[in-house]
Amino acid sequence: AQSVTQPDIHITVSEGASLELRCNYSYGATPYLFWYVQSPGQGLQLLLKYFSGDTLVQGIKGFEAEFKRSQSSFNLRKPSVHWSDAAEYFCAHRGGGYQKVTFGTGTKLQVIP
Amino acid sequence: EPEVTQTPSHQVTQMGQEVILRCVPISNHLYFYWYRQILGQKVEFLVSFYNNEISEKSEIFDDQFSVERPDGSNFTLKIRSTKLEDSAMYFCASSLTGIETQYFGPGTRLLVL
Repeated sequence: AQSVTQPDIHITVSEGASLELRCNYSYGATPYLFWYVQSPGQGLQLLLKYFSGDTLVQGIKGFEAEFKRSQSSFNLRKPSVHWSDAAEYFCAHRGGGYQKVTFGTGTKLQVIP
Repeated sequence: EPEVTQTPSHQVTQMGQEVILRCVPISNHLYFYWYRQILGQKVEFLVSFYNNEISEKSEIFDDQFSVERPDGSNFTLKIRSTKLEDSAMYFCASSLTGIETQYFGPGTRLLVL
């Protein structure tokens, strides 16, 4: 069965510091991978996606993620966090042949001054 | 930029009542989805819909749920007889093809009393 693991439930970083949110997936073939962000009371906004090709993908708001097949990981990074980045971040994947997207449990990001 | 819209944003209903949640997918998209997020939990897939029929559904999507595309623009989720445990945020999503990125609406928060 497809699954996505986000080991960090909550992360606090200082504004201006770098950020890495971890994500691991379980699926045999190369999955389609996504990061979504959800601000309080808001919907899910797509930050970036990986389907194939270059394993380092750039997204909106200065985020990037790297697909590492050997580690079954798709970690999200940002070199310098802004206070407006405080939100919940969901890693997700869709396995080949399935339309449903499987989400991780999310990581809540708190940004302190 | 085209976006998925959902109405209402909030709905309160009594247990046992029927509710219909409405979505307007992105206009040229062909695949439509419903997901739900119970408070504090992860986003879960309910159903996908293509060419006027269900193409995939989860074990959550039992006989009390149904979906419909009543006209060329709306996509609805009906819950026939709501239960307390149906209280959740319900997200609609759409994609151009079954393998392309799914774009999510802002959600409808359903509260069953």
